[in-house]
Amino acid sequence: AQSVAQPEDQVNVAEGNPLTVKCTYSVSGNPYLFWYVQYPNRGLQFLLKYITGDNLVKGSYGFEAEFNKSQTSFHLKKPSALVSDSALYFCAVRADNYGQNFVFGPGTRLSVLP
Amino acid sequence: NAGVTQTPKFQVLKTGQSMTLQCAQDMNHEYMSWYRQDPGMGLRLIHYSVGAGITDQGEVPNGYNVSRSTTEDFPLRLLSAAPSQTSVYFCASSRHSSDTQYFGPGTRLTVL
Repeated sequence: AQSVAQPEDQVNVAEGNPLTVKCTYSVSGNPYLFWYVQYPNRGLQFLLKYITGDNLVKGSYGFEAEFNKSQTSFHLKKPSALVSDSALYFCAVRADNYGQNFVFGPGTRLSVLP
Repeated sequence: NAGVTQTPKFQVLKTGQSMTLQCAQDMNHEYMSWYRQDPGMGLRLIHYSVGAGITDQGEVPNGYNVSRSTTEDFPLRLLSAAPSQTSVYFCASSRHSSDTQYFGPGTRLTVL
């Protein structure tokens, strides 16, 4: 079975400080990992993904994420947070086996305080 | 490109009524899916399709039907609405099942 955990419901960070949104996963097989962001009353928007290759993945709006196979984690990071980064963030995973679908985490609400 | 479009944006139903949520994409994507979003539970997969004429159940399919007669359209039908189906519904599409998904703006459904 596949699962995703986002251990923090809410993350608060001051503008200009670095931010981390945590994600851990469980799959049978190699993982495909994604981060999406959702602004109020909008659909989800793609931020970045890890399929294979470099463990450090760079994405949209200055975000990056590091794939750590031994810790089964894929934490989202940004060196300097902006107030406009405040949103709901979702981690998603699926195994590279045929017939699998994506499983989404419960979401983490990020608030960047001015 | 319009991307993924969904109609209606909002809908209020009474228990027992039926309705269809529309979803269309203009990116020639093979894979389409329906999710529901409930507070604290993330997105849960209802039904999905890997191509025209092919559909399958996701994690929470009960009470919902889908069909995929064309590559572009993937409607979701509620057969007999129940209050437990009050949720926000998102349609998504991607080139294939492991690729980046593009989401529609969502339909907020309330069942009284």
